Amino acid sequence: EVQLVESGGGLVKPGGSLRLSCAASGFTFNTYSMNWVRQAPGKGLEWVSCISSSSSYIYYADSVKGRFTISRDNAKRSLYLQMNSLRVEDTAIYYCARDIGRDAYSPELDYWGQGTLVTVSS
Amino acid sequence: QSVLTQPSSASGTPGQRVTISCSGSSSNIGRKYVYWYQQLPGTAPKLLIYRSNQRPSGVPDRFSGSKSGTSASLAISGLRSDDEADYYCAAWDDSLSGPVFGGGTRLTVL
Repeated sequence: EVQLVESGGGLVKPGGSLRLSCAASGFTFNTYSMNWVRQAPGKGLEWVSCISSSSSYIYYADSVKGRFTISRDNAKRSLYLQMNSLRVEDTAIYYCARDIGRDAYSPELDYWGQGTLVTVSS
Repeated sequence: QSVLTQPSSASGTPGQRVTISCSGSSSNIGRKYVYWYQQLPGTAPKLLIYRSNQRPSGVPDRFSGSKSGTSASLAISGLRSDDEADYYCAAWDDSLSGPVFGGGTRLTVL
C-alpha cells in the first residue's frame, strides 16, 4: 500500500525556518518525481515545488523561490522541504504528493499524504 | 488570483448533471493536459481526471472531463450527496515552469 507521511510542521515566527519531511513506503520511491503542494486555511491548492526521481530537475513556485529548498534522500525513501525566511502568508497545510510520471510536465499526482500544518505567526 | 479560473461555487440536486469550467491560456491549458482533483472535507485531494478526459481506475464513469482550446470542463452526472466537495483543475504552465491550480469550485448537492 502506498503511504506518504508528512512531519515537521508547527508554529514558527516570521523570519524563522522549518524543515518538513515526507516518509514514503509501498512503492519504488527512487523512480518517481515528488511534489509539495500547500493549502492555506480555507483557501485553494497551491503548488510549491517538485523534484525529479534523481534530483536532476527541480522547480519552485515564484512565491517560494529563493526561500524554500526541496530535496530527497532515495536511500531513506524521504522527501524534504527546507523553508527559510518564513512569512505569515506561508501558513498552510503542506502536502507531499507523488507524480505518477505518465507524461512529462504534468501535475498528475496520484497519491497524497495527510498533510502537516505550518503556522507562521508572531 | 489563480492562473486557472474556476467558478467559486456550483450546485445541483441529486441525479442532476453539473459542469464545472476551468479557463486558462495558451501557456497552460492551450498546450497541456488538464487534471481534475476532488477534495472531500477534511481530506487530501484525490486525482479524478488525467490527460484532460481519462479516469483513473476506481473513479466512477459519472465523472468526465473535456478540453477545448484554452478551457476545460468537468462534468458530473447522476449527482450524489457524497459528491459534495471542492473540485480543482490543474495544468502545467510553460511560462511559469510549473503546475498551476484553479481556485477551486465548491460543489453543493441540494
